[in-house]
Amino acid sequence: DAMVIQNPRYQVTQFGKPVTLSCSQTLNHNVMYWYQQKSSQAPKLLFHYYDKDFNNEADTPDNFQSRRPNTSFCFLDIRSPGLGDAAMYLCATSELTDTQYFGPGTRLTVL
Amino acid sequence: DQQVKQNSPSLSVQEGRISILNCDYTNSMFDYFLWYKKYPAEGPTFLISISSIKDKNEDGRFTVFLNKSAKHLSLHIVPSQPGDSAVYFCAARQAGTALIFGKGTTLSVSS
Repeated sequence: DAMVIQNPRYQVTQFGKPVTLSCSQTLNHNVMYWYQQKSSQAPKLLFHYYDKDFNNEADTPDNFQSRRPNTSFCFLDIRSPGLGDAAMYLCATSELTDTQYFGPGTRLTVL
Repeated sequence: DQQVKQNSPSLSVQEGRISILNCDYTNSMFDYFLWYKKYPAEGPTFLISISSIKDKNEDGRFTVFLNKSAKHLSLHIVPSQPGDSAVYFCAARQAGTALIFGKGTTLSVSS
């Protein structure tokens, strides 16, 4: 089945210790997104890639970076996680700006 | 400044009855609307969508209604089943831009 895969499902890191979350897709979609979702809030778009073109949301902190080495993979790097970065991180893909398909998410805990 | 609003954080319905989830938006340029369903510890799953050129779209037990003059859409689930218990997100987009999500409504269907 074509799908969006996120690893790990749960990630625990220490305050200030860099962490990388990964996302892969078998849908061959050209757009990949990263969202941050905190409890009882709407998913918040951090950035997205249209093919290799990176698009950062204006209010995404510099602490968050992303890499997309190829069509299938996209990474979210948090350079110095703070307690406020604890959240569910969702990866999604779409063909152009059509319906987005989400992965299961990575729950990040910052100690 | 929320462009997509789900004003009811929660809704409780009995099995077999109709569930109606509501969503309001402020941007008249939105041309595509979607509903996603999210179970705990999983990513949102696409449920149903509607283009702004339509006022109704139906898929099995799920029907989405769009009232452009009121900037309002609703999701009807008939009949509701316990497995429908989840968080439902409304999302909207303007052509060529990313989705904007509401905060979600938690639906509880009791048997």
